[in-house]
Amino acid sequence: EAGVTQSPTHLIKTRGQQATLRCSPISGHTSVYWYQQALGLGLQFLLWYDEGEERNRGNFPPRFSGRQFPNYSSELNVNALELEDSALYLCASNLPGAGDTQYFGPGTRLTVL
Amino acid sequence: GEDVEQSLFLSVREGDSSVINCTYTDSSSTYLYWYKQEPGAGLQLLTYIFSNMDMKQDQRLTVLLNKKDKHLSLRIADTQTGDSAIYFCAESWDSSNTGKLIFGQGTTLQVKP
Repeated sequence: EAGVTQSPTHLIKTRGQQATLRCSPISGHTSVYWYQQALGLGLQFLLWYDEGEERNRGNFPPRFSGRQFPNYSSELNVNALELEDSALYLCASNLPGAGDTQYFGPGTRLTVL
Repeated sequence: GEDVEQSLFLSVREGDSSVINCTYTDSSSTYLYWYKQEPGAGLQLLTYIFSNMDMKQDQRLTVLLNKKDKHLSLRIADTQTGDSAIYFCAESWDSSNTGKLIFGQGTTLQVKP
């Protein structure tokens, strides 16, 4: 069974640009979670999508947004990029009601110059 | 409150046992997790323990949970150089409503040959 996949692996942008990161959950999983892993800040919860709806967001500005498609894949958009947005962005998936365990993808490394 | 704490670094010799410790604050957490992160990679779920359990063993891994002290530990028996990685403890604090896992800062395990 394929795990969570993310694309691209690496993304380099300049300040002020927009970045789009993509995630495909494990087949059968309906929830997708996004986390930011910035150097020195650990893993911070960003967003939770389930059945196409945003269920919760972490303490991040509105320029971090996303969506979930009917096939349960998800996109994370970061507008007006700032240097401190440089981080590893991790996506996870699970099936709500089947336990809380979240399964993570390999991540997208975003570098903002 | 939401807070998970881990020591930052542990060094052991190959063949020894490693014990990685974690403390958490929310006694209502349903599940507690251990994830492993190798350099440049995503998070790999190692094991988890349900909050009504005291211990769980899975091959070389033993998880101990002391709910009274809110202390979780991961013991790796016969540690190998391939076990060198960052280990994250996480709790599923109210995750059915919030979707988020709360992570510790990660413990870097260095295994010397």
